[in-house]
Amino acid sequence: DVKVTQSSRYLVKRTGEKVFLECVQDMDHENMFWYRQDPGLGLRLIYFSYDVKMKEKGDIPEGYSVSREKKERFSLILESASTNQTSMYLCASGGQPYNEQFFGPGTRLTVL
Amino acid sequence: GQNIDQPTEMTATEGAIVQINCTYQTSGFNGLFWYQQHAGEAPTFLSYNVLDGLEEKGRFSSFLSRSKGYSYLLLKELQMKDSASYLCAGLDSNYQLIWGAGTKLIIKP
Repeated sequence: DVKVTQSSRYLVKRTGEKVFLECVQDMDHENMFWYRQDPGLGLRLIYFSYDVKMKEKGDIPEGYSVSREKKERFSLILESASTNQTSMYLCASGGQPYNEQFFGPGTRLTVL
Repeated sequence: GQNIDQPTEMTATEGAIVQINCTYQTSGFNGLFWYQQHAGEAPTFLSYNVLDGLEEKGRFSSFLSRSKGYSYLLLKELQMKDSASYLCAGLDSNYQLIWGAGTKLIIKP
């Protein structure tokens, strides 16, 4: 059974803190993605990766960085969290660009 | 620019049929996806269309017209559990998904 897991369902951090969100997939997919989802705005792509140690900026990379040291793991890093980064963060993986993406359960991050 | 348009919210009655429309403008086109997302949960895949026409999958069908930049998702015999948001996403020439904001479907008894 296809599975994408994320390290936390809910997270509360303070402004200026460094935040790590981790995503693990067990499907041997090459492609992994980080999105944020805000009401009325839909899913917005932050970063994606098509291979180990490879990363590409999405539509809204500012304030974020990523790491992909192993094929199954893709981490999103907020170097210095700000209140406008309060959002739902969704990780996804996909075997090919045109195959469906499988999503993790999401992490609801609140930055105070 | 690239854009996906779909209605913000729709209401339908249990047992009825509802059609959720989506228009898209993408740089190149490699197909169109529909996802379902229940409140507080992750999106799950419903359908993928790359050729014109209707694809039927049980109570759900998806239609694509590439010449019109248009797709719809048709849900038949609506059930209360179909209350969810439905996300339309176009795959552009770089194989990146361009997402719509989603249509919240409310089912009434």
